[in-house]
Amino acid sequence: DTGVSQNPRHKITKRGQNVTFRCDPISEHNRLYWYRQTLGQGPEFLTYFQNEAQLEKSRLLSDRFSAERPKGSFSTLEIQRTEQGDSAMYLCASSLEIGAPREQFFGPGTRLTVL
Amino acid sequence: AQSVTQPDIHITVSEGASLELRCNYSYGATPYLFWYVQSPGQGLQLLLKYFSGDTLVQGIKGFEAEFKRSQSSFNLRKPSVHWSDAAEYFCAVGRNYGGSQGNLIFGKGTKLSVKP
Repeated sequence: DTGVSQNPRHKITKRGQNVTFRCDPISEHNRLYWYRQTLGQGPEFLTYFQNEAQLEKSRLLSDRFSAERPKGSFSTLEIQRTEQGDSAMYLCASSLEIGAPREQFFGPGTRLTVL
Repeated sequence: AQSVTQPDIHITVSEGASLELRCNYSYGATPYLFWYVQSPGQGLQLLLKYFSGDTLVQGIKGFEAEFKRSQSSFNLRKPSVHWSDAAEYFCAVGRNYGGSQGNLIFGKGTKLSVKP
């Protein structure tokens, strides 16, 4: 169990550029979640997958955001035409869904700064 | 609407003193409840969780929390704080989908400072 990993850890970009983040969940975890955390706030839910299926998206996930989990393993989160308001920590979490509640394990996050 | 309230933004305690961090939630169904801790620049680490059963739950690092349904609360406690406990603490509710769990709803966090 190597934990949830996220890459890159830090990303600085200019407004209008596209960025992509990667999350590798704990192996055999079928659920994968994306959250966003801004300064002074708790994490806010963006979207989650069960295997390769994207089951839910929050209203925070605008048209500029897209997430994929093509083979049910790693996931990518892409932000197109970044805006300064996208600056935040993007957290990924995974869990093993077996029809009963289970804890989510979080990665270290990717900190995005949009200049 | 589902929500989590942590009324204390910042708490300072002396090392060795007891600690209680408050958490209140609003959720229509039986909640799944969690406390996570976040150190600067780090991800979230689970301290403890409540799914069902005994309302007093024990976690890591000497933390415990008590679920009180009548008060919609899940307060975190520690009898003696160590300097290494200085961090930000988040209470969260897990959405209950008929026994399965969806995303977490977090409070805004309580920052804990520890005086020597």
